[in-house]
Amino acid sequence: EVQLVESGGGLVQPGGSLRLSCAASGFTFTNFPMHWLRQAPGKGLECVSAISKDGGTTYYVDSVRGRFTISRDTSKNTLYLQVGSLRPEDMALYYCARESSGYYDLWGQGIPVTVSS
Amino acid sequence: DIQLTQSPSTLSTSVGDRVTITCRASQSISPWLAWYQQKPGKAPKLLIYQASSLQGGVPSRFSGSGSGTEFTLTISSLQPDDFATYYCQQSYSYPYTFGQGTKLEI
Repeated sequence: EVQLVESGGGLVQPGGSLRLSCAASGFTFTNFPMHWLRQAPGKGLECVSAISKDGGTTYYVDSVRGRFTISRDTSKNTLYLQVGSLRPEDMALYYCARESSGYYDLWGQGIPVTVSS
Repeated sequence: DIQLTQSPSTLSTSVGDRVTITCRASQSISPWLAWYQQKPGKAPKLLIYQASSLQGGVPSRFSGSGSGTEFTLTISSLQPDDFATYYCQQSYSYPYTFGQGTKLEI
C-alpha cells in the first residue's frame, strides 16, 4: 500500500526538542522530494521544510530556520524532522507529504506536537 | 512570498448547489495551482493540480479553471460528502504557500 506514516510527536516543554519520523512505503522513495507541513489548531496549512530527492537541497521557512533540520534515510525509506528550541507557536499537527511536480499527492495522517510547560 | 487569498472564507450551501471558490495570487503563477479538500481530523486530499487537471479518483463534479492570478474551484452539484474546507496552493516558487481556506457549511 502506498502510504506515509508519521511518528515521534508528543508533549514537550518550551525550548525542548523532538524528532519526527515519516516512514514511506509502496513507492520509490528516492523519486520524490518530500516536505513537512504543519497546521496549528483551527488554522491553515504551512510548508515548514522540504528536501530534494537526493537529500542534497533543503528548504526551511524563516520561522524555523536554524531550529529545525530535515533529513532522509534512503536505506530506511524514512523522512525526518528534528525540531528544536521549540516555541509555543510551533504547536501544531505536523504532516509529511510527497511532492509530485509541485503539488502534494500523498500525505501522512498527521502527528501532534504540543509545546507547553 | 506569494500570497494567496481565497474567497469566500465561509460559504453556506445546500446539497445540489453549484459552488465556486476563488483563489487570487499576489503575482502570476500559471499554471502552478492546486486545490485540496480537508475534513476535520484528516489530512488534506488533492483534488486538482496545475489549475485544471483532475487528480485520479476525484469525482468529475470537481473542476478547476483560471490563469495568471485568478483561479476557481467549482463543484457542479454539491454532495453531502463535499462539506469540508478547501485550500488552494501555489508551487510557482518557494516557499509553496496556501490560501487561508474556504469552509463549506450546510
